[in-house]
Amino acid sequence: GQSLEQPSEVTAVEGAIVQINCTYQTSGFYGLSWYQQHDGGAPTFLSYNALDGLEETGRFSSFLSRSDSYGYLLLQELQMKDSASYFCAVRDHQGGKLIFGQGTELSVKP
Amino acid sequence: GAVVSQHPSWVICKSGTSVKIECRSLDFQATTMFWYRQFPKQSLMLMATSNEGSKATYEQGVEKDKFLINHASLTLSTLTVTSAHPEDSSFYICSATWGEVLTDTQYFGPGTRLTVL
Repeated sequence: GQSLEQPSEVTAVEGAIVQINCTYQTSGFYGLSWYQQHDGGAPTFLSYNALDGLEETGRFSSFLSRSDSYGYLLLQELQMKDSASYFCAVRDHQGGKLIFGQGTELSVKP
Repeated sequence: GAVVSQHPSWVICKSGTSVKIECRSLDFQATTMFWYRQFPKQSLMLMATSNEGSKATYEQGVEKDKFLINHASLTLSTLTVTSAHPEDSSFYICSATWGEVLTDTQYFGPGTRLTVL
């Protein structure tokens, strides 16, 4: 089966950089995705890594190491609006369903 | 980008009644739709996978007779919670995709918050 581990919560200050790690175990790997979810809202797609390396999209970057079954989401120049839950997710090889980690609650302080 | 809508955004119902939640892909044809449930402070848990014109595939532990899913067209899937009870109160979220389910992005709807009294 699939399982993902990520820290339950992270706190940082405005303007700082924060890294949210995710380790996974899968039978068949079809990439690691990251989603952001504000309280009461729906998940919003942030990034997808299928190959090793760093993907950059504005203030957010995502990294993948398939040999280590590990990835991270890097948030730079943190803003108050970045306070949210962040989920890593992998695809199940049967049917393509997304398996989500438990989520990391990021709190950005002034 | 692709847009997925859900209706209603929130609903309150009495115990024992049935509630229907709609999920629509507004600007694309969704070959596959997924239904998730999320309890407060928890992760999204997949309930079922729905393909247009065929029966939904339910995850282990999800009662298919209680959570009826109909994917009647390439733009609409519905989830009906039958004989709802307070423990069914949750945030229900659908997602939709087209093309290759293993790699293509899933687009999420805004969610429906169900409260059963």
